[in-house]
Amino acid sequence: QQPVQSPQAVILREGEDAVINCSSSKALYSVHWYRQKHGEAPVFLMILLKGGEQKGHEKISASFNEKKQQSSLYLTASQLSYSGTYFCGTEIGLGFGNEKLTFGTGTRLTIIP
Amino acid sequence: NAGVTQTPKFQVLKTGQSMTLQCAQDMNHNSMYWYRQDPGMGLRLIYYSASEGTTDKGEVPNGYNVSRLNKREFSLRLESAAPSQTSVYFCASRRGTEAFFGQGTRLTVV
Repeated sequence: QQPVQSPQAVILREGEDAVINCSSSKALYSVHWYRQKHGEAPVFLMILLKGGEQKGHEKISASFNEKKQQSSLYLTASQLSYSGTYFCGTEIGLGFGNEKLTFGTGTRLTIIP
Repeated sequence: NAGVTQTPKFQVLKTGQSMTLQCAQDMNHNSMYWYRQDPGMGLRLIYYSASEGTTDKGEVPNGYNVSRLNKREFSLRLESAAPSQTSVYFCASRRGTEAFFGQGTRLTVV
């Protein structure tokens, strides 16, 4: 079953902040975040593991609450280059045979000047 | 370093025709995946392979078969294409934390 993402779409002005949420009905071992530009393949941003701490990547960071089976992606002081569709991916384990990575429906982020 | 290579990039099929989408990776990854992407549906997992010779169904396996004959290659076969299989198909491979995606195959079934 796909994780659920919200919102489905968001429009920001350059410099504004955004939060994208991801939740699952299953117990999770890890949460992945990917970004896809129009017409391109998804690209890895970060992974958060169960028991791990909040991760950061430039001005993009994320948290993972394994008890609530939720993750949030935070984009601060957004730049035009942040536009794209963001996907969260979830799996119930890591390592051989457990890396069955399931993605959410995506959040389309548009940054306007 | 080519990464993940998918062929073909574009394909038009008639209903009922069969075809195989090819995927190869040169990163010595164990895990490989096939996803389909449709508007508003995100990336949906069709099949997953943990290693050569092993495959596991994903969320939407009906109408597809896969083959992982060796570590490098993971193919997706449509035995009798249907218009509902019109989509963009992505192959991915992974070892550890990061998955790498191919550039996709845009398939249209008419």
